[in-house]
Amino acid sequence: KQEVTQIPAALSVPEGENLVLNCSFTDSAIYNLQWFRQDPGKGLTSLLLIQSSQREQTSGRLNASLDKSSGRSTLYIAASQPGDSATYLCAVKTSGSRLTFGEGTQLTVNP
Amino acid sequence: KAGVTQTPRYLIKTRGQQVTLSCSPISGHRSVSWYQQTPGQGLQFLFEYFSETQRNKGNFPGRFSGRQFSNSRSEMNVSTLELGDSALYLCASSLEVYNEQFFGPGTRLTVL
Repeated sequence: KQEVTQIPAALSVPEGENLVLNCSFTDSAIYNLQWFRQDPGKGLTSLLLIQSSQREQTSGRLNASLDKSSGRSTLYIAASQPGDSATYLCAVKTSGSRLTFGEGTQLTVNP
Repeated sequence: KAGVTQTPRYLIKTRGQQVTLSCSPISGHRSVSWYQQTPGQGLQFLFEYFSETQRNKGNFPGRFSGRQFSNSRSEMNVSTLELGDSALYLCASSLEVYNEQFFGPGTRLTVL
């Protein structure tokens, strides 16, 4: 059974700091990995998708890496801003094509 | 291009009642998945539909059911509601089964 863990559970940083969110998964037989952000009471916004054959993806200030063999992914956020405050969720798509989610990292960026 | 839409956005029901939630995927998307989000269990997969066929089902009781129509719109139904069914129900669509998933705003269900 696939299990996804995200560390840390919560993170508070000053504006402008670069930061790294971590995600690990137990079964390396994945099709892809997706990073989402969720604002309180809202749905999920897709940030980045990394296919199992890829090592990283970039979008603006965001960079996500994938090491499938070790079961790890990181989301790097450069020059953080207060508007980045949200919960960040990592999810893997495995056989059966369902997404298995981690518990999320709650990020607060202080002005 | 319109995103995934879900109706209604909020629902209040009492125990024992049944409820139907609706999801309209992004135009052209044929795969629709449903997830339940609660503070205690996080996000859990309910089921997935592709071309009107259920491809996958999560570990939920038979009170939870769904269907997909020929226009890819999907509905999920929960019968004999229990207090523990209170949650945010999220629908996601993708072009094909293994593509990037896009989520709707969710339906907040409260069972009293």
